Amino acid sequence: GAVVSQHPSWVICKSGTSVKIECRSLDFQATTMFWYRQFPKQSLMLMATSNEGSKATYEQGVEKDKFLINHASLTLSTLTVTSAHPEDSSFYICSADSGALSEQYFGPGTRLTVT
Amino acid sequence: GENVEQHPSTLSVQEGDSAVIKCTYSDSASNYFPWYKQELGKGPQLIIDIRSNVGEKKDQRIAVTLNKTAKHFSLHITETQPEDSAVYFCAASGNDMRFGAGTRLTVKP
Repeated sequence: GAVVSQHPSWVICKSGTSVKIECRSLDFQATTMFWYRQFPKQSLMLMATSNEGSKATYEQGVEKDKFLINHASLTLSTLTVTSAHPEDSSFYICSADSGALSEQYFGPGTRLTVT
Repeated sequence: GENVEQHPSTLSVQEGDSAVIKCTYSDSASNYFPWYKQELGKGPQLIIDIRSNVGEKKDQRIAVTLNKTAKHFSLHITETQPEDSAVYFCAASGNDMRFGAGTRLTVKP
C-alpha cells in the first residue's frame, strides 16, 4: 500500500520550453501533495505544498509563476516547469500525505535536464 | 520554524557491525519523526517512524529511539548488510516536515 508514482522518470528538454511532471497516488487518496527539489548529494528542499482543489502554497524563494502546480484530484498533482533554463536541471520528487497522521510517501523522482 | 540537524554526514561500517545515525530538532511541537532511505537515483523510502508518545520502536534490524526532553532521535541498524548502503534522512514533523541533511552509509563486505 501507499504507492506514489511519477511520470516521466527522466526528461531532457531544450532551454525555453516547458515540462510537465505528474505525481499520482496509486492506492490511496491524498488531500495533500508535496513537491521537492534535490541537488546532487544534498537534502530534500520543499518547493510547495499542494492541496486538492486549492492553490498551492510555495516556499520562500520559489517562483510560483515558474513552477506551476495543479492538484486537480485526490490522486493527481502536476508540476510544470515553465521556460526551463539549465539551472532548473535537478531531481524533482513528489510525496503524498496519506492522511494517516502526517505520513508522507515519496514518488521515485524525475530527473530533469535542460540543455 | 523547525530545524533538523543530522550526524554524521558519512558513515562507513563493516558488514555485520551496527550503524547509528543521530538527529536533533528544535521545534517542541514536532510529534512525528520518520526515517527515509534513499538509494541512488530513486525517491526516499519510509523505513521506520516514531511518534512523540513512544520512546523506542523496532522493526527487525532497524530501531529508532526518541528523547523528547533532549529533542533528539536516533536510527540504529544492526547486523548491517551491503544492501543497507544508501543515504538516510531523518525528518521531524509538527506544523510541517523538515529533513536532515542526510547520512551516506556505506557497508563494506
